[in-house]
Amino acid sequence: NAGVMQNPRHLVRRRGQEARLRCSPVKGHSHVYWYRQLPEEGLKFMVYLQKENIIDESGMPKERFSAEFPKEGPSILRIQQVVRGDSAAYFCASSRGTASGNTIYFGEGSWLTVV
Amino acid sequence: SQELEQSPQSLIVQEGKNLTINCTSSKTLYGLYWYKQKYGEGLIFLMMLQKGGEEKSHEKITAKLDEKKQQSSLHITASQPSHAGIYLCGADSPLTGNQFYFGTGTSLTVIP
Repeated sequence: NAGVMQNPRHLVRRRGQEARLRCSPVKGHSHVYWYRQLPEEGLKFMVYLQKENIIDESGMPKERFSAEFPKEGPSILRIQQVVRGDSAAYFCASSRGTASGNTIYFGEGSWLTVV
Repeated sequence: SQELEQSPQSLIVQEGKNLTINCTSSKTLYGLYWYKQKYGEGLIFLMMLQKGGEEKSHEKITAKLDEKKQQSSLHITASQPSHAGIYLCGADSPLTGNQFYFGTGTSLTVIP
């Protein structure tokens, strides 16, 4: 998968706790995307970020979810006060430039289970 | 919004058989991507098609993009159990900004 690293791979949280998912893009990639895959469903776009900027967050739930991609360090997807419905696989992807015409590489995903 | 329909939703084939998965867009595609996801794992990039009529092959997998750039097919020749998984088409378009959309996925099972 060309080097997109996600951690943790598996995360268990109790309802009400916070979940933090990290994504280190391919070296040299400045564009990061987060997707959510609910059980038995396809991948849904959540947010698109460039370094220090949120470009498109139209797929993010309005509450409890936030994402950042700081100048230094990985991109973070943060889910506050998790609920059972947040249980899903969260995939991060990166590209060198915008999606158009640039291959997007995916990480292996972070599986969040809320108990 | 960009919508991608994949068919069939699931496919069970005997090892050695050929198969085709289709991906149809409601709008003209700028780029069409094929990914494979093994159950419970991440996505593996297979191929990207950009030009109308383009065809690419990798080992026993061939992907084509039609001239109108609204439909793509993924063809597997002489399927093997290692081909099993979920195949997803993805696409972007200048009309969707920088969003990248996925199809609904096709679950492939190959019976030895």
